Amino acid sequence: DIQMTQSPSSLSASVGDRITITCRASQNIIGNLNWYQQHPGKAPKLLLYATSRLQSGVPSRFSGSGSGTDFTLTISSLQPEDFATYYCQQSFNTPSTFGQGTKLDI
Amino acid sequence: EVQLVESGGRLVQPGGSLRLSCAASGFAFSNYAMTWVRQTPGKGLEWVSAVTGSGGSTFYIDAVKGRFTISRDNSKNTLYLQMTSLGVEDTAVYFCAKGNVYDQLDYWGQGTLVTVSS
Repeated sequence: DIQMTQSPSSLSASVGDRITITCRASQNIIGNLNWYQQHPGKAPKLLLYATSRLQSGVPSRFSGSGSGTDFTLTISSLQPEDFATYYCQQSFNTPSTFGQGTKLDI
Repeated sequence: EVQLVESGGRLVQPGGSLRLSCAASGFAFSNYAMTWVRQTPGKGLEWVSAVTGSGGSTFYIDAVKGRFTISRDNSKNTLYLQMTSLGVEDTAVYFCAKGNVYDQLDYWGQGTLVTVSS
C-alpha cells in the first residue's frame, strides 16, 4: 500500500496567517492527490482534487500544488472557519490511502 | 442537493454481524461508484471498500476481505456494507462517500458508529 505522510501533525496559527501543509507519498502518485477538511464531529469535506483543482464552492484562499511524491496545501489567509483537521488522500491506486491528518488550531 | 444518510451502526459483540446502509439522494445514483471509509481515533481515516455504479466490480482492503461485502440496490438508491466476524479493530465511525478508488470522494454522509465490544 502507498503510505501518505503529512507534516506537521499539528499547527498553531492566527486569523490572517498563510499556512502550508505538506503531504508525501511513499511512491509516485503522479497528480492523484486530494485534500479534505474535517471539523470535529463532522464528515470530511473535499477541498481540492487532482492536486490543485478546487472543488465547487471552496474559497480560492485554498490552493494545492505538487507532483510525483510531494504535495502541498496552502491557505493564503486563514479565516476562523478554517481551523480544522486536514487530510490528504492518494487516489492513484487501490487501496486508496489517507495521511494521518494535520490539526490546525488557533 | 446531494445527501447521503448512513444507518445501522450499533454496539455488537465480537464475532457478530452488522449491515450498514447508506441512502442516497440528489444525484443519479446508478451512474456513480460509491465508497465506505471508516475513522478511528487511533488510525485516522481508512478507505474500506468501493463498488462501481453497476455493482459489477468491488474493491476491499485486505483487513476486511472475506468478512465484509459491499453491495448496492440502484432501484432503492441505497448502498450497503455487510460486515461479519467483527472484531474490536472494526470499531469506528463508518462513512459512505460518493466516488471510486481512483477518484476523489466529493460527498460524504454524516457517519454511523459501529462499536465492537463484549
